[in-house]
Amino acid sequence: LAKTTQPISMDSYEGQEVNITCSHNNIATNDYITWYQQFPSQGPRFIIQGYKTKVTNEVASLFIPADRKSSTLSLPRVSLSDTAVYYCLGDNQGGKLIFGQGTELSVKP
Amino acid sequence: GAVVSQHPSRVICKSGTSVKIECRSLDFQATTMFWYRQFPKKSLMLMATSNEGSKATYEQGVEKDKFLINHASLTLSTLTVTSAHPEDSSFYICSASAGLAGHSYNEQFFGPGTRLTVL
Repeated sequence: LAKTTQPISMDSYEGQEVNITCSHNNIATNDYITWYQQFPSQGPRFIIQGYKTKVTNEVASLFIPADRKSSTLSLPRVSLSDTAVYYCLGDNQGGKLIFGQGTELSVKP
Repeated sequence: GAVVSQHPSRVICKSGTSVKIECRSLDFQATTMFWYRQFPKKSLMLMATSNEGSKATYEQGVEKDKFLINHASLTLSTLTVTSAHPEDSSFYICSASAGLAGHSYNEQFFGPGTRLTVL
């Protein structure tokens, strides 16, 4: 499973767009890229998943370049409630997920 | 969406006792469930993969006799921490994957976690 690298922390303000980039140089051909959100003392929550190009849902967009060595999670107009840890994972859909360190996003008023 | 529950949400026990944590998929069947532990300010660490009707597969460094996993049905997996000690205090999280109608991928759903404190 691919090892992922993300910034340890990021700060933002309410209403701004936040982009979190993840490096996964050794992503396998059959791995999808999945992002999870985790609040303190809660289980992770699925945000978005993609294979390549761009995926958008009601909460986020995911940009994956053609070489798939990185991906960027984009959160439009963040609010205080988006303060959380965000994890990027390579997911071969065989179920087993290996979590990296994650990015602690802090949204300030 | 699919819901995974855990019971209890938090437990405090004395050193040397055993603690059982339940993980249930409430509205879907999961042939595979996973158990993680998480220390404060750290990432989730996969402990084992639980397969219905067969023995669990443990990750390297996880003691299978210490952390007993049973997956007796398609909706229930249990983790028993045997002879718990203070160093076993942690946040334990389970997850289950399912190929749901309308999804093109096997999304993994996580439980809310169980906070174990061993005195």
